[in-house]
Amino acid sequence: NAGVTQTPKFQVLKTGQSMTLQCAQDMNHNSMYWYRQDPGMGLRLIYYSASEGTTDKGEVPNGYNVSRLNKREFSLRLESAAPSQTSVYFCASSEEAAGSPYNSPLHFGNGTRLTVT
Amino acid sequence: GQQVMQIPQYQHVQEGEDFTTYCNSSTTLSNIQWYKQRPGGHPVFLIQLVKSGEVKKQKRLTFQFGEAKKNSSLHITATQTTDVGTYFCAVSMDSNYQLIWGAGTKLIIKP
Repeated sequence: NAGVTQTPKFQVLKTGQSMTLQCAQDMNHNSMYWYRQDPGMGLRLIYYSASEGTTDKGEVPNGYNVSRLNKREFSLRLESAAPSQTSVYFCASSEEAAGSPYNSPLHFGNGTRLTVT
Repeated sequence: GQQVMQIPQYQHVQEGEDFTTYCNSSTTLSNIQWYKQRPGGHPVFLIQLVKSGEVKKQKRLTFQFGEAKKNSSLHITATQTTDVGTYFCAVSMDSNYQLIWGAGTKLIIKP
């Protein structure tokens, strides 16, 4: 099992460019998440999908869109990149929605290191 | 919004010394998860605590959940170089089932 696979691993964008981060999981998990991690700030939730067919905003959704393509795949799109979006992006999945009474742990991908100049 | 305080931000120890990180909330927690992130890596799930006063051990790691379910700690006995990384708590609260992350405690082994 590959677990959670993210692509690309690294990306450099110019301000105003767009890109899509891809994420796929092979654990048959219901819930998927996109986080960003900045130094000293821990993990901040951008968007999540509690189950196939649903998506919801997290703590910092501005400037991003997501698509839950199917149960396996959850993509994150930056329509017009800004330097403030320079960060490390992690995709994660869990069997049931994090924080729910089912208390499922999160499984993370290896991350995408994005720089916007 | 609801927050969880994780302290300290950094801890420098000599190899063989102990390490402790604390996670504190002003609100009653439903459960708490602990994760470890190695430098350049991704967070990896360590354990989950659900019950008041719960204590769980994984080799040299001891996890505790406070009696009031408002705080938790992770203690590492006799640190080794393999323990280096950042330790995060992630909590959910009875009133809100969203997962909230602490800022992490970075364990640094002095050379």
